[in-house]
Amino acid sequence: DQQVKQNSPSLSVQEGRISILNCDYTNSMFDYFLWYKKYPAEGPTFLISISSIKDKNEDGRFTVFLNKSAKHLSLHIVPSQPGDSAVYFCAASAEAQKLVFGQGTRLTINP
Amino acid sequence: DTGVSQDPRHKITKRGQNVTFRCDPISEHNRLYWYRQTLGQGPEFLTYFQNEAQLEKSRLLSDRFSAERPKGSFSTLEIQRTEQGDSAMYLCASSPPSGGRYTGELFFGEGSRLTVL
Repeated sequence: DQQVKQNSPSLSVQEGRISILNCDYTNSMFDYFLWYKKYPAEGPTFLISISSIKDKNEDGRFTVFLNKSAKHLSLHIVPSQPGDSAVYFCAASAEAQKLVFGQGTRLTINP
Repeated sequence: DTGVSQDPRHKITKRGQNVTFRCDPISEHNRLYWYRQTLGQGPEFLTYFQNEAQLEKSRLLSDRFSAERPKGSFSTLEIQRTEQGDSAMYLCASSPPSGGRYTGELFFGEGSRLTVL
């Protein structure tokens, strides 16, 4: 059972435009949500997170939105830069336990 | 370098052989996690430790898999009688004590890639 789903395997965006990555979850017990970024031959690195008591968290060019009623979160990157090209994973946890990851979305930023 | 360290980075073995991976977490991180990642998928949880106690094991962790974290420091993941389906990237991650301020952030190593022929 895939509790965290990223339905878009890939996304291509022009440099300077907004990138929007989406994630859906099924477990209503999840109370913390995170986005990780992964470059080839490296481990995932933390990008941004949001608690279930909030609906938005912003950090520089990155903003995460949470819609609990729809069990949906999204990551907005604006403006997109070539260095943002990577695989992005959505993850969720319940009560500070293990993280459950989505399948990932490969983001390509075109110059 | 004070990040999470994994060894070896790449292991090629024949089916039926045993393999062992080692993970050295960031010092003073009390939690240590093992994940497995296959091509086109996200990391899948295998097991995690808080200090030396193994608190949870995924059903993905068959009886051929065993993980230890003696003395709450480094950890090993052993796979016995390897099968071709065990070919994957094995990722280790650690996290610090939350101190009442949970962030959910895990610090990942670069992974150990296993190829079973």
